[in-house]
Amino acid sequence: GNSVTQMEGPVTLSEEAFLTINCTYTATGYPSLFWYVQYPGEGLQLLLKATKADDKGSNKGFEATYRKETTSFHLEKGSVQVSDSAVYFCALSIDNNDMRFGAGTRLTVKP
Amino acid sequence: GAVVSQHPSWVICKSGTSVKIECRSLDFQATTMFWYRQFPKQSLMLMATSNEGSKATYEQGVEKDKFLINHASLTLSTLTVTSAHPEDSSFYICSARIGQGTGELFFGEGSRLTVL
Repeated sequence: GNSVTQMEGPVTLSEEAFLTINCTYTATGYPSLFWYVQYPGEGLQLLLKATKADDKGSNKGFEATYRKETTSFHLEKGSVQVSDSAVYFCALSIDNNDMRFGAGTRLTVKP
Repeated sequence: GAVVSQHPSWVICKSGTSVKIECRSLDFQATTMFWYRQFPKQSLMLMATSNEGSKATYEQGVEKDKFLINHASLTLSTLTVTSAHPEDSSFYICSARIGQGTGELFFGEGSRLTVL
């Protein structure tokens, strides 16, 4: 079946540190891949997405590249800020009607 | 972006009672809404797909008599946990799509249910 495995948290970094949150997937067919972010007290928000192999999604300094050969979609940011503290979810969908999520990774950035 | 609101954000109830959670699309019409459940340190699990004016489609293993879903209008879907038990304690999240097909999903803030 289709599933997503992401790096367990929590992750704690200092401001301006480099961030990587690993995400790998298993899917039949050709999934679209997503990263969602949930800030404290808010709903999930789409952070970025990629719909085919080698696509790179980017937003707010975050990037993730759809790697079909390693079935991965790792999230990276070169310099995190305190305001990036949130829970990050990796997800995949074959047709947007069946979204599969990872367990979520809590990121805390300290000043 | 579009806003989806859930109410209540948290609820505590006694075992055996029923609890209703509302999911509203505040500034758009949602033909399709989705209900998810999240256990601590686990993934969001899709429970059911709710289509306005028709019966919800439940995922395998989800008890439809236990988790009643109603999508009576284009801006409101409700999830009722009937005869709740402590094992139903969880975080329930809804999402809604603008239009049909592959439109972006917008998520509510989630509702935390604790059954005593």
